[in-house]
Amino acid sequence: QLQLQESGPGLVKPSETLSLTCSVSGDSISSRTYYWGWIRQPPGKGLEWIGNIYYSGTTYYSPSLKSRVTMSHDKSKNDFSLKLTSMTAADTAVYFCARLLCGGDCFLSGPGPLAFFDFWSQGTLVTVSS
Amino acid sequence: DIQLTQSPSSLSASVGDRVTITCRAGRSINTYLNWYQQKPGKAPKLLIYAASSLQSGVPSRFTGSGSVTDFTLTISSLQPEDFATYYCQQSYSSPYTFGQGTKLEIK
Repeated sequence: QLQLQESGPGLVKPSETLSLTCSVSGDSISSRTYYWGWIRQPPGKGLEWIGNIYYSGTTYYSPSLKSRVTMSHDKSKNDFSLKLTSMTAADTAVYFCARLLCGGDCFLSGPGPLAFFDFWSQGTLVTVSS
Repeated sequence: DIQLTQSPSSLSASVGDRVTITCRAGRSINTYLNWYQQKPGKAPKLLIYAASSLQSGVPSRFTGSGSVTDFTLTISSLQPEDFATYYCQQSYSSPYTFGQGTKLEIK
C-alpha cells in the first residue's frame, strides 16, 4: 500500500530555509512511470503547485518560486526533498508531497499534459514565525 | 500561467441532490483538467482526470465533462460523505494551476 510521509520542522524563522523530506513506501521513486511533487496550501486557502522531480533528477519548478526552490531525491532511502529559502510569513502553509502519474513517456517527454496527482501525503503544517 | 475560475465558490445542497460545479480556464487546455476532493484536515483525493475519466475506486455518481475552456463536475445524487471542497487543476502546461475551490455544504 502506497504511503507518503513528510518530515521536517513545523516552525521556521523568517529568512531561514525550509527543508522537508517525503518518505515513500509501497512504491519506488525510481519508477519510470511517475514524477514526485510538492504542493502547498496556506491556511484556509487554495492549492499551489511547487514543483516535481523525476528519478533521473529532472525537475520542474513553479516560476513564482523557482529562485528559492530546490528539489532532490535519495534513491537509497526512497525519498525526495524540498528546500525553500528565504522563508516569509507568506510561506506559511500545509505542505503536501504527492505522486504524479505521467501522461506519456516520462523519460522522453516529461510529465506530459495528461499527468495528474493520484496519491497525496496527509500534509504537514509549516509556520514561519520568529 | 493559466488561470482557472470555479463557480460557485460555495454551494449548499441536500443529500440526494444533483450538483454541478464549473471550472473555466483562461485559455484552451484541451481536456487536460483534473478534479480533486478535499475534506477538512485531509489530503486532496483525485476524482476525475483528463476531464472525464473516473479514477479507480471513485463512485460512479461523480462525472466530469468539458473541453477547451469549460468544464463541469457533476455529482448525481449527493451522499453525506460528499460534503467537501472541490478543486480543478490543469495539467496542460507548467506551472500547474488549481481553481480557487468550491465548498459544498449541507443545506
